[in-house]
Formats: sequence, structure tokens, C-alpha cells
Amino acid sequence: DAGVIQSPRHEVTEMGQEVTLRCKPISGHDYLFWYRQTMMRGLELLIYFNNNVPIDDSGMPEDRFSAKMPNASFSTLKIQPSEPRDSAVYFCASTAGTRRLQAFGSGTRLTVV
Amino acid sequence: RKEVEQDPGPFNVPEGATVAFNCTYSNSASQSFFWYRQDCRKEPKLLMSVYSSGNEDGRFTAQLNRASQYISLLIRDSKLSDSATYLCVVNPTPGSQGNLIFGKGTKLSVKP
Repeated sequence: DAGVIQSPRHEVTEMGQEVTLRCKPISGHDYLFWYRQTMMRGLELLIYFNNNVPIDDSGMPEDRFSAKMPNASFSTLKIQPSEPRDSAVYFCASTAGTRRLQAFGSGTRLTVV
Repeated sequence: RKEVEQDPGPFNVPEGATVAFNCTYSNSASQSFFWYRQDCRKEPKLLMSVYSSGNEDGRFTAQLNRASQYISLLIRDSKLSDSATYLCVVNPTPGSQGNLIFGKGTKLSVKP
């Protein structure tokens, strides 16, 4: 079975540029989560969706961050404009409604210079 | 007090040693507890859930102490392949699917 698929694996961009991260959850999973991981703050939940609807975006750091889930098999996390402090590993995870065992994608390592 | 706290380590142990990690959580209403393992530059993966009665999976034993609000993970006969960061995870909100709180992790290094 294919797991959670994220792209790109690595992204290096200049400050001020728009960055779009992509995620394909496991088929049949109805929850999708976006996390950010840094050495200083660990793994932080940014936003999560249930049946494509955003449920809790209180972890989104500021208006520069936005996330969408247009259908059950695709989600994006966009940063516009990007800043050096956004440099982190961004993980997408999904789970089925009856379980809390989240499966993570391989992550996108973002570097903003 | 942070929601989930772990000793960052690193714990450096020889092969075959027994090592234990503790994790404390602040929300006494928390219902679900997990240990995840994260290898260097990889994604977190579920190691095991933690049940009230304690549970064992091979060389790994997880314990929950609700009165003291801590969770432990014991690894017996440690292997080189156990080297990783171990994340303590708590769901502080009963019935909530999304609200997993991750500790920053405890790094384990098993040496030959």
C-alpha cells in the first residue's frame, strides 16, 4: 500500500518567494494533518482537516500560511511570502476516523535563504 | 509547565543494555498515549500505544502512571538499530482526533 506521499522532498527558496508543499493522504483516510518540526520547537500541529474541511487551524503561525484540501486525495500548504524563520521540516499525516494512529509522509525539508 | 516533557538526552548505552525513558504530561484529562520513533532525517513512526495496564511488545515495555501523569518506555537488550529519537505523544482531548501533542523527543544512541 502507498503511504502518505509528500512533495517536494527538499525545497530551497529565497526569502519573499511563494512556497507550495503538497500531500496525498492514504486512500480511505478521512483526517489529514500538517505539522512543522524544528529543533527548537519540536513537532507542532499547524492545521488538520476532516473530510476535506479544515477543523482546527489555530496552529497556523500567521496569515502568510494557508492550507487547502480540494478533494480527499490532495492537500497543499502554501507560504507566501516565505521568510528564513519558516525553514523547517513540514510533515503531512493522515488517519482513518476510528483510529488515532497517524501515518506520516516523508516530509518536505524547506530552507528559506 | 509544558504539555509534554521529555529528557532530550542523548542516552548513550552499550549494546545489550536496558534503558528507560520517562515522559510527563500536564493535562490530567488526557486519554490516549503513544510512543513514536523517529530516525534521523525520517518521519515519525508509531512504535506502540500505551495502555493503562501497561503493555509489552517484544523488548519494549510501555507503562502509564495516571496519578503522577507520566509515561515510560523500557527497552531491554538494546540493539544498534534502536538508535533513534523516541517521541512521547499525548492526546489531551477525549474524542478529539486531531489534538495530538508531541514531546520533543529523547535521543538514544546504542554503541557497539
